[in-house]
Amino acid sequence: AQSVTQLGSHVSVSEGALVLLRCNYSSSVPPYLFWYVQYPNQGLQLLLKYTTGATLVKGINGFEAEFKKSETSFHLTKPSAHMSDAAEYFCAVTQGAQKLVFGQGTRLTINP
Amino acid sequence: SAVISQKPSRDICQRGTSLTIQCQVDSQVTMMFWYRQQPGQSLTLIATANQGSEATYESGFVIDKFPISRPNLTFSTLTVSNMSPEDSSIYLCSVDRTATGELFFGEGSRLTVL
Repeated sequence: AQSVTQLGSHVSVSEGALVLLRCNYSSSVPPYLFWYVQYPNQGLQLLLKYTTGATLVKGINGFEAEFKKSETSFHLTKPSAHMSDAAEYFCAVTQGAQKLVFGQGTRLTINP
Repeated sequence: SAVISQKPSRDICQRGTSLTIQCQVDSQVTMMFWYRQQPGQSLTLIATANQGSEATYESGFVIDKFPISRPNLTFSTLTVSNMSPEDSSIYLCSVDRTATGELFFGEGSRLTVL
């Protein structure tokens, strides 16, 4: 069965600083990996996804993530944080069209 | 993408009552998913709803507590029955449009049980 571990339930960075949110997964077969963002009082919105092909994927709002099979990781980065990036971020994994399994989430705070 | 509308967006309910949450999608989809997000927690899948068949429930969730209807390819309901304060959560409807596991979510229904 697949699982996801997000390291750090709360990450705080300064505006303009690098954002790095960590995600490690466990899967017995090649996974499909996702990052979702949840703004306060809203549903989840897809940031980016990896299914096949290029291991560095770019998403919305300047975010990107790299699939590293050897490290079973799919960390999310953004070169320069903006105040509007403050939200809850969820990493998720699935094997093909199976159910999506979510990590515990990381709350990102941006300091002015 | 998909436009997914949920009703109600939020509600405050009394212990022992039941509430039905509606989910409307702007186009036909085969599979709809209901998730629960307890306060400060991640998302947990309650069940998968396919049109024309019984919903498939995940471990820890039962039909008597969370009955689901799926009368057509654009609509589903989730009922939270005999509610207790532990049922206070956000309930989210989602659909898979790409068969890759990528889900589109509604805005969620925030339920508070007193």
